[in-house]
Amino acid sequence: GIQVEQSPPDLILQEGANSTLRCNFSDSVNNLQWFHQNPWGQLINLFYIPSGTKQNGRLSATTVATERYSLLYISSSQTTDSGVYFCAVDSNDYKLSFGAGTTVTVRA
Amino acid sequence: DAGVTQSPTHLIKTRGQQVTLRCSPKSGHDTVSWYQQALGQGPQFIFQYYEEEERQRGNFPDRFSGHQFPNYSSELNVNALLLGDSALYLCASSLGHLRNSPLHFGNGTRLTVT
Repeated sequence: GIQVEQSPPDLILQEGANSTLRCNFSDSVNNLQWFHQNPWGQLINLFYIPSGTKQNGRLSATTVATERYSLLYISSSQTTDSGVYFCAVDSNDYKLSFGAGTTVTVRA
Repeated sequence: DAGVTQSPTHLIKTRGQQVTLRCSPKSGHDTVSWYQQALGQGPQFIFQYYEEEERQRGNFPDRFSGHQFPNYSSELNVNALLLGDSALYLCASSLGHLRNSPLHFGNGTRLTVT
């Protein structure tokens, strides 16, 4: 099956800092989504982005499908951004394969 | 607009018992997928239901089974529970006729097997 690697595994930020999370995948994809899981376990869909660039407030994402990677940018981080960020992909079926996640801690 | 709802939120079972988890999809969605998330790991796909049939299945034993009802709600059943089945079980809904429909997750059911 398709392999998904996320980096870094852990990230500690001071409030107001910017950061970039990376997702590499091993095969071409039809579907790529970024999720944020808050400390209470709730998984929120941030972006559906199989290719191109999207922005939503302080968050933006870029997927370069031909080079098999996606980036998630967090600008002016806030403590509420803390949690685990997951990248998930689907190559040619109906299931999403998740990476191991990046744990982000934003300190006040 | 009701999101994905799951019940119960927490459950404690004994090894060997059976459990049923329930999920109602987001309004307007017709497809339900189930995922298992062990502590410290990413969610793992169990199976997906569309038009009341299992459309895709992940690498889980037959002890894991499911059902989808005409109103699109779904159940996940796990028989002969093992300690290793302790996890957060997540339900996600989407639009089945769109292969690349974004997933919307419920808050999950945390299952503890003792």
